[in-house]
Amino acid sequence: QLQLQESGPGLVKPSETLSLTCTVSGDSITRNGYYWGWIRQPPGKGLEWIGNILYSGVTYYNPSLKSRVTVSVDTSKNQFSLKLSSVTAADTAIYYCARVVATAFSWFDPWGQGTLVTASS
Amino acid sequence: QSALTQPPSASGSPGQSVTISCTGTSSDVGRYNYVSWYQQHAGKAPKLIIYEVTKRPSGVPDRFSGSKSGNTASLTVSGLQAEDEADYYCSSYAGSNNVVFGGGTKLTVL
Repeated sequence: QLQLQESGPGLVKPSETLSLTCTVSGDSITRNGYYWGWIRQPPGKGLEWIGNILYSGVTYYNPSLKSRVTVSVDTSKNQFSLKLSSVTAADTAIYYCARVVATAFSWFDPWGQGTLVTASS
Repeated sequence: QSALTQPPSASGSPGQSVTISCTGTSSDVGRYNYVSWYQQHAGKAPKLIIYEVTKRPSGVPDRFSGSKSGNTASLTVSGLQAEDEADYYCSSYAGSNNVVFGGGTKLTVL
């Protein structure tokens, strides 16, 4: 059964870089037909797509975050990662990783349990 | 890209049906049949319940159904049960390798 698990620091100082990793188990991250995505949810608010990555390293980002986001993949570890630079309090959110069906680009299933990242000094 | 528009709340009594709307534009919902719906219980991760407008993943009860007309997609929950109380989010492919989500609807089972 495919499972995803987010990991990384729960507290990041303003102006610094948020770094998270998603570990995939139960299947290979190189399986054809899928992207791997990041989505976030500020406390009490809605979902926001951050970006998708293919195992080859091809990436696509939300235009509103593109200047600060980097998503990368490590196929040897079956992991993909998120870096968000110059964080502010507005970046405080639960960050989720998910598998994405390539043909639809927007069909996220399954999701990781999520990890709360707080941007605060 | 703007978020898709959903009503903040919806409600119904057990056994009733409730429909949640998701309004986009001719560039997202209206153009592509890549609308998905997610159910999120309090404190949990979202779960896919509808994809490609009308399809249900294995294990999702057939009480959940999806449809689309023009720029508006809809999720209908029939035969409401207490366990259906949750937040529901729609999403759509928005072209040019973009994805947009709705603001979410809190469904209350009275």
